[in-house]
Amino acid sequence: DIQMTQSPSSLSASLGDRVTITCRTSQNINIYLNWYQQKPGKAPKLLMYTASTLQNGVPSRFTGSGSGTEFTLTINSLQPEDFATYYCQQSYNTPYAFGQGTKLEIK
Amino acid sequence: QLQLHESGPGLVKPSETLSLTCTVSGDSLSSSTNFWGWIRQSPGKGLEWIASIDYIGHMYYNMSLRSRVAISVDKSKNEVYLRVNSLIAADTAMYFCTSRRYEVDAFDVWGQGTMVTVSS
Repeated sequence: DIQMTQSPSSLSASLGDRVTITCRTSQNINIYLNWYQQKPGKAPKLLMYTASTLQNGVPSRFTGSGSGTEFTLTINSLQPEDFATYYCQQSYNTPYAFGQGTKLEIK
Repeated sequence: QLQLHESGPGLVKPSETLSLTCTVSGDSLSSSTNFWGWIRQSPGKGLEWIASIDYIGHMYYNMSLRSRVAISVDKSKNEVYLRVNSLIAADTAMYFCTSRRYEVDAFDVWGQGTMVTVSS
């Protein structure tokens, strides 16, 4: 099974900041990496798929990059609605696995 | 617009069987572009993919749960089901129904989730 390692596990930032979250996989998954945002009491929401393709309706301040075993999600100019928990997920093979999450909090 | 709505018993006893239903609206389970499935989330194990099924009926399982779970559909009712038997406390979680479009290859639509607590 593919293991997912996200870092950091938590992050404090201010409005307008730029933040980066990293996801590493235990084996090469090409670009089959997705990112989700989850707010308390809600289901996860797809932000990005195949590493860098923005899901419809997601603001362009979210960008994704990477391939192989290392991926990043960058949020430019943080907005109040961006404070949430973010998860990466590999869709290269089953069992589809998620990272443990990065909680983004307001500084 | 595709919507998913889960329903379940809420509280179940250890060793019993859990049955969950996902009602799909806005699309057909016969759609060849979607996989339908279940993901759960617990404080201890985070997000865990359980199983998926495609429009033909091919089933895909997380082998760590395979001996205790079964996914199925009823196309006439446009419903997806999950059964988990021999429940243990570690099965306590929020269970989400999901859709994964073939061309996106990610879980792009989620239900609101149904909480399941395993306790005597």
